[in-house]
Amino acid sequence: GEDVEQSLFLSVREGDSSVINCTYTDSSSTYLYWYKQEPGAGLQLLTYIFSNMDMKQDQRLTVLLNKKDKHLSLRIADTQTGDSAIYFCAEIPFTGGGNKLTFGTGTQLKVEL
Amino acid sequence: NAGVTQTPKFRILKIGQSMTLQCTQDMNHNYMYWYRQDPGMGLKLIYYSVGAGITDKGEVPNGYNVSRSTTEDFPLRLELAAPSQTSVYFCASSYSTSTGELFFGEGSRLTVL
Repeated sequence: GEDVEQSLFLSVREGDSSVINCTYTDSSSTYLYWYKQEPGAGLQLLTYIFSNMDMKQDQRLTVLLNKKDKHLSLRIADTQTGDSAIYFCAEIPFTGGGNKLTFGTGTQLKVEL
Repeated sequence: NAGVTQTPKFRILKIGQSMTLQCTQDMNHNYMYWYRQDPGMGLKLIYYSVGAGITDKGEVPNGYNVSRSTTEDFPLRLELAAPSQTSVYFCASSYSTSTGELFFGEGSRLTVL
């Protein structure tokens, strides 16, 4: 089947904004998610957006959703070195059920001083 | 709560050996999952379980087996290990609702030589 696609790497300077993009597969997905994986750790849910929303803001995080293009983005304002991690977008395809998330390939964010 | 606990954290196997990755959770979650993570490939679902006594295949089940005799435990068995099974394995659990929030263990890094 189709994959949830992300670019593999992103490098930004501390204090700049980071934008991580994702193209997902199923326009019927009810929720779309962003997970964060810090080095040597498991994934943690960072934020999510309901499919009837275009935008969700949570402190330094802004999630934008374009359902027509099946495009999801995560913007991190004032990026800090602690934001260095791998970021995964994820969806629950309509045929999945049971919380069977399909994850993207992950984007490694590197924050430079 | 300890959350999701995986053991061992690291293991080296020879081709053809067998082993079991252990996973236990103390959150009384019905849903449990095993994923493998390979560089640039994201996470792929191996097996999942919606409750004690029930398991089902995910996207990449070949070469693996699971059991779910209790709500807490979901071991992953590798029979006849192959180099293609070199990966980082993550166990996760979730509530039975479709919120998409999975709780991950810290991972088990397996190398097959």
